[in-house]
Amino acid sequence: EPEVTQTPSHQVTQMGQEVILRCVPISNHLYFYWYRQILGQKVEFLVSFYNNEISEKSEIFDDQFSVERPDGSNFTLKIRSTKLEDSAMYFCASIAMLAGPSTDTQYFGPGTRLTVL
Amino acid sequence: RKEVEQDPGPFNVPEGATVAFNCTYSNSASQSFFWYRQDCRKEPKLLMSVYSSGNEDGRFTAQLNRASQYISLLIRDSKLSDSATYLCVVNGGSYIPTFGRGTSLIVHP
Repeated sequence: EPEVTQTPSHQVTQMGQEVILRCVPISNHLYFYWYRQILGQKVEFLVSFYNNEISEKSEIFDDQFSVERPDGSNFTLKIRSTKLEDSAMYFCASIAMLAGPSTDTQYFGPGTRLTVL
Repeated sequence: RKEVEQDPGPFNVPEGATVAFNCTYSNSASQSFFWYRQDCRKEPKLLMSVYSSGNEDGRFTAQLNRASQYISLLIRDSKLSDSATYLCVVNGGSYIPTFGRGTSLIVHP
């Protein structure tokens, strides 16, 4: 069964450093997402991406964050200057977009655990 | 502010019990609804989609009440493997999915 993959599984970085989290969505999917989940808290939407541009973004997704689809398979989340409060699990998700983004099922990757020291 | 609220939990039930979780949402324009299961430090996995008044899949039944803006998940004959956190997810008219905080279920022998 096709699945969303994410690398690395765990990233440790120093405060102020840039990190890039990588995702490979399911190959025929068209709509991509990043979420974060701080330990013990709920999953929070960061950004959605369709047709090579940001479709929606939340208040959390400020100028420190950016997303890219540099080639036909990878989808990346960059945090320019990490803060302690960026420590969280970051999940990538994708949907096929058969019936529209609000009704299609999202498939989540296993997540990247980011630890900012 | 668009919110999704869930039962606080944790629910601690014996094997074989029937347990129900509730979820309320504030955005009346919400179009679709999902229940996800999340194991500790793992990704959410889709349990059920709820597009009309309800949906049933084996031991799991989800119901939607649009008038009351309320979704429920019923688990019958609980198994030890059902122990997890159950997330209610609601999609509004503009697609920014909102997750509830989740309800923790512990099924014990």
